[in-house]
Order: sequence, then C-alpha cells, then structure tokens
Amino acid sequence: NAGVTQTPKFQVLKTGQSMTLQCAQDMNHEYMSWYRQDPGMGLRLIHYSVGAGITDQGEVPNGYNVSRSTTEDFPLRLLSAAPSQTSVYFCASGSGGSTNEKLFFGSGTQLSVL
Amino acid sequence: GESVGLHLPTLSVQEGDNSIINCAYSNSASDYFIWYKQESGKGPQFIIDIRSNMDKRQGQRVTVLLNKTVKHLSLQIAATQPGDSAVYFCAEKFRGGKLIFGQGTELSVKP
Repeated sequence: NAGVTQTPKFQVLKTGQSMTLQCAQDMNHEYMSWYRQDPGMGLRLIHYSVGAGITDQGEVPNGYNVSRSTTEDFPLRLLSAAPSQTSVYFCASGSGGSTNEKLFFGSGTQLSVL
Repeated sequence: GESVGLHLPTLSVQEGDNSIINCAYSNSASDYFIWYKQESGKGPQFIIDIRSNMDKRQGQRVTVLLNKTVKHLSLQIAATQPGDSAVYFCAEKFRGGKLIFGQGTELSVKP
C-alpha cells in the first residue's frame, strides 16, 4: 500500500519556467490537497479538492493551478515559476466526511526557483 | 512547560517531563481539530483529533484539550521521550472541508 506518492522529490527551476508536481494516492480518498511549507512557518493551503471534478482555492492559491480528473491524482501546476515559490510542497489526502479528516501526507517535493 | 511566542515557538523539556503545546484557532465555526507531528525531512503525521462537541480526548501518552470559549487547543504529552522531538501543528477544519494549519511549535527533548 503506497499511500500518497509525490514526484519529483527535488526540482530546480529557472524563473519563468513551468512545471507540474505530481500527487497520487491509492486509498480511494475523496479529499486531496496541496500545502507549501516555508522555513520557520507552518503549512499553508494552496488548493484542495473534495472529489473528482471539484477544486477550490486555499490560503495562497496565486501562481498555482490544479485539476482533479480522477480520484487518484491531483497535480499542482506552476505556470511561471518565481523565486517566491521556492518551498517544500506537500500533498495530502483524506477520507473526508463530517468526522474524519485525518490526512495522510506525501514525503514532500523540495522546489528551488532561481 | 508551556509554549509561547509568535514565530515557530520552541519548547524545550527534560526527558520524562510532561509537555504542553498550545494553539489558538481562528474560526469559531470549526467543528474538528487535529494535531500533527512533523519530524525533520518528513511529512506531518496524524497524532490525535477532537470534535467540537468534546472537551478532552486521550490517546497513548497524549491528551488533547479543547476550550471553545477562548478558541484554544492544547496537546499534552506525558513522560516526554527523545523520539517526541519534532514540530507539532494544530489544524482546524473549516466549512467546505479545507484544513488550515497553525504555525507550529518545535519541541526539543533533552536527555
């Protein structure tokens, strides 16, 4: 049981480049989300999805796009990378519902934008 | 000891002592709260959760207390061990399902 799988683990981009961070889960979870974590700070929600075909913005959505065409996958797209997007990115999934939002996190993607 | 501070508060305790980590949440309509533990280089891991209709919930060596009057959450760790050293985050569930994390507290356990 793989859980939540994120790829790549490390990425270096130049300013203006685009890329997609991949996230896949094999637990049939309805809820998926992306967070970024900067040094000395907590996790900030970028985008989230409560099911296939449904996405919504979190606290810091600017500069990022998401889509949820399947239950398993929730890719995060950086359209034009900026140095301010240098961060560690975590994908998380949960079974959702009114009583259980226990999230399972991937191992993270460390992104540097030069 | 208790954690205070504004920028990634730190808490240093002696091995075997009890730890208390505090969290203030923002949304009075939040109905579900979770504590996560994050070790260096890893993603956060679930520790314990509590619903808004409860004041206290106990797990193995951990207890979460919820005070809805002052919108305060605390995590108590009994007999703190070196393996408890990590950053601890509280999270609250907003309407619509999204989970928002607090800033975190770094717990350091001295042997």
